[in-house]
Amino acid sequence: EAGVAQSPRYKIIEKRQSVAFWCNPISGHATLYWYQQILGQGPKLLIQFQNNGVVDDSQLPKDRFSAERLKGVDSTLKIQPAKLEDSAVYLCASSLAFWAGSYEQYFGPGTRLTVT
Amino acid sequence: QKEVEQDPGPLSVPEGAIVSLNCTYSNSAFQYFMWYRQYSRKGPELLMYTYSSGNKEDGRFTAQVDKSSKYISLFIRDSQPSDSATYLCAMSAGSGNTPLVFGKGTRLSVIA
Repeated sequence: EAGVAQSPRYKIIEKRQSVAFWCNPISGHATLYWYQQILGQGPKLLIQFQNNGVVDDSQLPKDRFSAERLKGVDSTLKIQPAKLEDSAVYLCASSLAFWAGSYEQYFGPGTRLTVT
Repeated sequence: QKEVEQDPGPLSVPEGAIVSLNCTYSNSAFQYFMWYRQYSRKGPELLMYTYSSGNKEDGRFTAQVDKSSKYISLFIRDSQPSDSATYLCAMSAGSGNTPLVFGKGTRLSVIA
């Protein structure tokens, strides 16, 4: 079974530029998560989708971050404009379905973003 | 006070040692407790999952939850160099769409 795919793996941009990350979850997984992991910290949930609807985006900085999950499969996370403090690893995870009580979230390898 | 506290280490032990990793938390609503392992430049992978209080064993790994003390532990027996990674505790208050709250992670090195 293929895992969660993310691209790009690395990205370096200057502050005030924009950037987009892509995630393809495990086939059949209805729930998709985007996390931000700053160096030395645990992952912090940014947004959670159930199919193509948003379940929780309370920690998403909506003035600069946006995310979508069209057709309930792939998802993109965008930052515009980027700030220095956005330097982090952006992790995508998926799980079978939250209503099934499925707690195992499968994580992708992440995209390492450096903002200079 | 952060919701979940975890000593970041680093922790260095000789091969074969018993490793004890711990987290404390402040939110008494947490009921689901997990341990994730994260290798360098990889995403976290679930190691152990426990509901409410008690112990759970899986091979060389044992997870303990003490809700009265708001304290969880992961023990690794007969540690191996391949166990060298960052271990993250995570917890949530309920089922479904309740978000996971992660600790900072403890970096473990097992020296051959």
